[in-house]
Amino acid sequence: NAGVTQTPKFRILKIGQSMTLQCTQDMNHNYMYWYRQDPGMGLKLIYYSVGAGITDKGEVPNGYNVSRSTTEDFPLRLELAAPSQTSVYFCASSYSTGTGVTDTQYFGPGTRLTVL
Amino acid sequence: AQRVTQPEKLLSVFKGAPVELKCNYSYSGSPELFWYVQYSRQRLQLLLRHISRESIKGFTADLNKGETSFHLKKPFAQEEDSAMYYCALSEGGATNKLIFGTGTLLAVQP
Repeated sequence: NAGVTQTPKFRILKIGQSMTLQCTQDMNHNYMYWYRQDPGMGLKLIYYSVGAGITDKGEVPNGYNVSRSTTEDFPLRLELAAPSQTSVYFCASSYSTGTGVTDTQYFGPGTRLTVL
Repeated sequence: AQRVTQPEKLLSVFKGAPVELKCNYSYSGSPELFWYVQYSRQRLQLLLRHISRESIKGFTADLNKGETSFHLKKPFAQEEDSAMYYCALSEGGATNKLIFGTGTLLAVQP
């Protein structure tokens, strides 16, 4: 299994451009997450999904959109890129058993985005 | 508001010395606490969780609700322990959302 894969690894955008960060998992996990990590900071949750067709905002959703049309894919869309969105973006997935106990999250390798 | 605090950005120790990575949390309910680790050129991965009460790679962590702490400890550090360590808190429930601390870089010197 490849686990969680993210593309691209690196990207430089100009202010105002748009792009989509791709995330795919092959573990049949129902939950997926997008985090961003700014230098010297912890990971902050942007959006999450508990299943295909269901998404919800995290702590820092402004400037981003997501969709979850399949179990495997959870793309993150940046519209009108701004320098404040320069960050490392991590996608993660987990399998929830619905027991109320938090399940292990499995992370992708990250995408380093710079907005100039 | 829920918060996780890791007061040390960098902890440098010599091989064989004891290690304690500090983590304090702010949460009014009964949290679940985790330690995630990122070794050089590897992905972030779960190290241990408080409900398991297990030792992983010689590391242990005890949840102290009175002091709202979840410090990570190892009696004898190894060079291969050098990595970035993140403490994380979950509210539990249906979303599995995690709140991360800012991380501590552990550097084990030979």
